[in-house]
Order: sequence, then C-alpha cells, then structure tokens
Amino acid sequence: ETGVTQTPRHLVMGMTNKKSLKCEQHLGHNAMYWYKQSAKKPLELMFVYSLEERVENNSVPSRFSPECPNSSHLFLHLHTLQPEDSALYLCASSQDRSGAYGYTFGSGTRLTVV
Amino acid sequence: GENVEQHPSTLSVQEGDSAVIKCTYSDSASNYFPWYKQELGKRPQLIIDIRSNVGEKKDQRIAVTLNKTAKHFSLHITETQPEDSAVYFCAASSSGGSNYKLTFGKGTLLTVNP
Repeated sequence: ETGVTQTPRHLVMGMTNKKSLKCEQHLGHNAMYWYKQSAKKPLELMFVYSLEERVENNSVPSRFSPECPNSSHLFLHLHTLQPEDSALYLCASSQDRSGAYGYTFGSGTRLTVV
Repeated sequence: GENVEQHPSTLSVQEGDSAVIKCTYSDSASNYFPWYKQELGKRPQLIIDIRSNVGEKKDQRIAVTLNKTAKHFSLHITETQPEDSAVYFCAASSSGGSNYKLTFGKGTLLTVNP
C-alpha cells in the first residue's frame, strides 16, 4: 500500500441504492482529491479538499456528495446513480493543494451501476 | 484554466527500443510537471517529475525534458522492457493563485513487445 487506502475495491450497486466510498491517508498530507477514471477518458477531477475544506467542486452532479471529516479521511457518498457513472474512482492526497509535490493515489474503487 | 495535450494516445515499440511521449500545456504559469505510470488494474504512480527551473532530469532509463518557451515537455524511456508496458499520464500544475491543481493529459498506452 502507498499510504492511501480505498475501500471497497469493487462495488456493484443499483440505481436506487445509496453507498459510500472511503479513502484514508496516513501520509500527513493536507489535501485530498476524488478523481473519476472512465475508459478512454482522462482523469477527471471531481472534488478537492484542503485542510478539510472543500475548495473545488468540478461541476459534479449532486448525486455525488463528498465528505471530509478530518485531514486523513475522505468519503464519497453515492445515491441514485446512473449506468454512465460506472468507472474507477480514485482518491489521491498531496502535501498541499498546489499539487506541486505530486499526488499519491489509492488503488481505486471499481464501481459498476446496474 | 490549464489544458494539457498528450501524444501519442498509443505507442508500440520493440523491447530494447526507446519510447518518447510528448505533452504540451497552455498555462505559462505552470511550473511543476509530473509523469505517472498506471499498470493495468493498478493505481497511477509517480515515476518522475520536473520543475520549471530545470530543463532535463534523468532517473536510470527514464528522462524528462522541459521546454518552457514552447510549453512542452516529454518523457523518454530508453532500453524499454515488457514491464514498461502501461498507461503513462503527464500533468501540469502551477502553485499560487487559483490554478492550484494538477491537470492531466489523456494518457498514452505504451506496449513493449518482447
């Protein structure tokens, strides 16, 4: 493990379900991110948290709801998703929100919406 | 905001040959340029990075060059091996101001044939 742990690794959910993705980092980083990775698309930034404060919501639909209770934990709450939301969801952390020291990614959650 | 273009989208080389991946960026304020490698089913991992005060950086078989005037940077892999097969992402970031996040290219699928 790199110091960024994501659970679950795989998730299958129906469109009416509610589920949550969890990310935890033990690197002492101050910024955390959610990215969506779909086939043949670039990494899409969803949310940025810096010192537990959301500093960016990159036009993400409201069916995705992030939560950052402290600098080590980040959640992504999911409800009434669509099949096109199926993707790999990657969490990352960095020393600060500039990203100027690189990101450490988690292994991701492979989400399938049926 | 920043826009990062990456080429080629796919690259196939014979083992032992060199591979070059090129990226261009739009924001002249960008000053940090990392490269990530993502093997199939795994998380992106930082392999090398370069800052704007340096024109070239090398780490064993991997090197990155930066041309700030032309706003492009490149990844060079020499003596390629099958384990180099992966998707490679370039990214650009500027510290300060509102453009504080990494912007990724669309990725290059590198296949090294034995």
